[in-house]
Amino acid sequence: QVTLKESGPVLVKPTETLMLTCTVSGFSLINPNMGVSWIRQPPGKALEWLGNIFSNDEKSYSTSLKNSVAISRDTSKSQVVLTMTNVDPVDTATYFCARIVRLVGATFYSDYWGQGSLVTVSS
Amino acid sequence: SSELTQDPAVSVALGQTVTITCQGDSLRIYYANWYQQRPGQAPLLLIYGKNNRPSGIPDRFSGSSSGNTAALTITGAQAEDEADYYCNSRDINNHHMFGGGTKLTVL
Repeated sequence: QVTLKESGPVLVKPTETLMLTCTVSGFSLINPNMGVSWIRQPPGKALEWLGNIFSNDEKSYSTSLKNSVAISRDTSKSQVVLTMTNVDPVDTATYFCARIVRLVGATFYSDYWGQGSLVTVSS
Repeated sequence: SSELTQDPAVSVALGQTVTITCQGDSLRIYYANWYQQRPGQAPLLLIYGKNNRPSGIPDRFSGSSSGNTAALTITGAQAEDEADYYCNSRDINNHHMFGGGTKLTVL
């Protein structure tokens, strides 16, 4: 059974660093065809892709957030960590992690998602 | 460009067919995935690749693509299909993206 679960602070102050952890089970972070994505959704707004990490430590990030977002992994703990620096109230959102499956021919999809973690940025 | 455009809202009569579209330059090269999101829930994968449905997704959901436009068709819409729908793809630099979402109302 594949599961992903986000954990981290509920409230963060502006300019602080946000760290969210995605703990996965039911699949391996060293599977060459799989990785983890981070996606966020501000209240009442659309989904926004933040970045991916794959088994070979290949990473890609949203161009608009590239300088403030980093994704890392600890395969021994089956965890993927999202770090976002210098947060602002506009970063208030539900943050999701999702398993991403990569197939031949550049086809990919996210088939399992965590329940999401609501983070509020406020002083 | 690395953007996907969706109509903000669409409505359909119960039992009828509705198509939700997604436009973007990257769709000329890459397939779109489609997700359904109900209020307070995580997105649910409906369609991936050319027109593949994960196990458990009803066959009334189907996907298609032509040029720079991908489409999700619901044939015989049900009341439980009322939700937000998002397309998702990538660009040549492996940057992923989501459309702005379409709110489907079933009348």
